[in-house]
Amino acid sequence: EAGVAQSPRYKIIEKRQSVAFWCNPISGHATLYWYQQILGQGPKLLIQFQNNGVVDDSQLPKDRFSAERLKGVDSTLKIQPAKLEDSAVYLCASSLGRGQDTEAFFGQGTRLTVV
Amino acid sequence: AQSVTQPDIHITVSEGASLELRCNYSYGATPYLFWYVQSPGQGLQLLLKYFSGDTLVQGIKGFEAEFKRSQSSFNLRKPSVHWSDAAEYFCAVGARGYQKVTFGTGTKLQVIP
Repeated sequence: EAGVAQSPRYKIIEKRQSVAFWCNPISGHATLYWYQQILGQGPKLLIQFQNNGVVDDSQLPKDRFSAERLKGVDSTLKIQPAKLEDSAVYLCASSLGRGQDTEAFFGQGTRLTVV
Repeated sequence: AQSVTQPDIHITVSEGASLELRCNYSYGATPYLFWYVQSPGQGLQLLLKYFSGDTLVQGIKGFEAEFKRSQSSFNLRKPSVHWSDAAEYFCAVGARGYQKVTFGTGTKLQVIP
């Protein structure tokens, strides 16, 4: 079974530029998560989708971050404009359903460096 | 609000020695607790979880953890560490299973020969 796929693996941009990350969840997984992991910290949930609807985006900085999950499969996370403090690893995860006992599987992440 | 404290940023153990990684949580109700491992350049992998029932939980790769409500702790243990266990370990607490999960800051494990 293929895992969660993310691209690109690495990205370096200048501040005030825009950037987009892509995630392809495990086939059949209805729930998709985006996490931000800043160096030295644990992952922080940015947004959770159930199919193509947003379940939780309370920690998403909506003035610069946006995410979508068209057709309830792939998802894109965008930052515009980027700030230095956005440098982090962005992890995508997916799970079969929304139930409390459905394990979330993580991709390898995209490492963003903003200079 | 829920939170997790991992007091040890970095731990070094000798191969074959026992291991205990500490985790304390703060949550008003019965917590859902997790331990994840992250190897360099990799995503997070679930080692074990506690939702209810037996407070001693067995996980993959020979790890176990014990939920102690009175101490608000969920420490991870392994009787004999292998060099391949070198990684970063994250404790996490969830409000509803895998939903609303809050991670600790992680403990980096170094294994020396």
